[in-house]
Amino acid sequence: EPEVTQTPSHQVTQMGQEVILRCVPISNHLYFYWYRQILGQKVEFLVSFYNNEISEKSEIFDDQFSVERPDGSNFTLKIRSTKLEDSAMYFCASSEDRVGTGELFFGEGSRLTVL
Amino acid sequence: AQKVTQAQTEISVVEKEDVTLDCVYETRDTTYYLFWYKQPPSGELVFLIRRNSFDEQNEISGRYSWNFQKSTSSFNFTITASQVVDSAVYFCALSELLTSGSRLTFGEGTQLTVNP
Repeated sequence: EPEVTQTPSHQVTQMGQEVILRCVPISNHLYFYWYRQILGQKVEFLVSFYNNEISEKSEIFDDQFSVERPDGSNFTLKIRSTKLEDSAMYFCASSEDRVGTGELFFGEGSRLTVL
Repeated sequence: AQKVTQAQTEISVVEKEDVTLDCVYETRDTTYYLFWYKQPPSGELVFLIRRNSFDEQNEISGRYSWNFQKSTSSFNFTITASQVVDSAVYFCALSELLTSGSRLTFGEGTQLTVNP
């Protein structure tokens, strides 16, 4: 069964460092997403990406964050200068169609720890 | 704005008991989709069900069943004859369709512990 894969599964970094989280969405999917879950809290939407551009972003997704689809397979989330409060699980997701009409597939998450 | 409320923060049951997880949502959209996800201790999000706003039929899948009541804006989830492996955090979510793409609004989650 096709799946969304994320790397790394866990990353520890120092405050102020740049971090890139990588995702390989399901190959025929067109919509890509990043969600965040701070430990013990709910899952929160960060950004959606379609047709090589951001289609929607939340208030959490400030100038420190960026997303990119550098080639035909990878979808990355970059945090330019990490802060302690960026420590969280980051989930990548993809869908063939807009959510609802199609199922949203989540990756297993990348846990980011900022020290 | 979209909102999902899962009033039960934690539930603890003994194996073989039935348990119902509550979900209440708010939306101004006439077309929307509701979801349940399971998050086991390993952390991944496991899709359980998707239901659109025009389909109010209840659904059963093995030991799982879902009760969608549009009149009360609720989408409750029942596990029959619970098992220890059902222990997890369960999230209810509501989709919002955007111009291109969509996003999910999640509830706070319910931590279910099934004791042997």
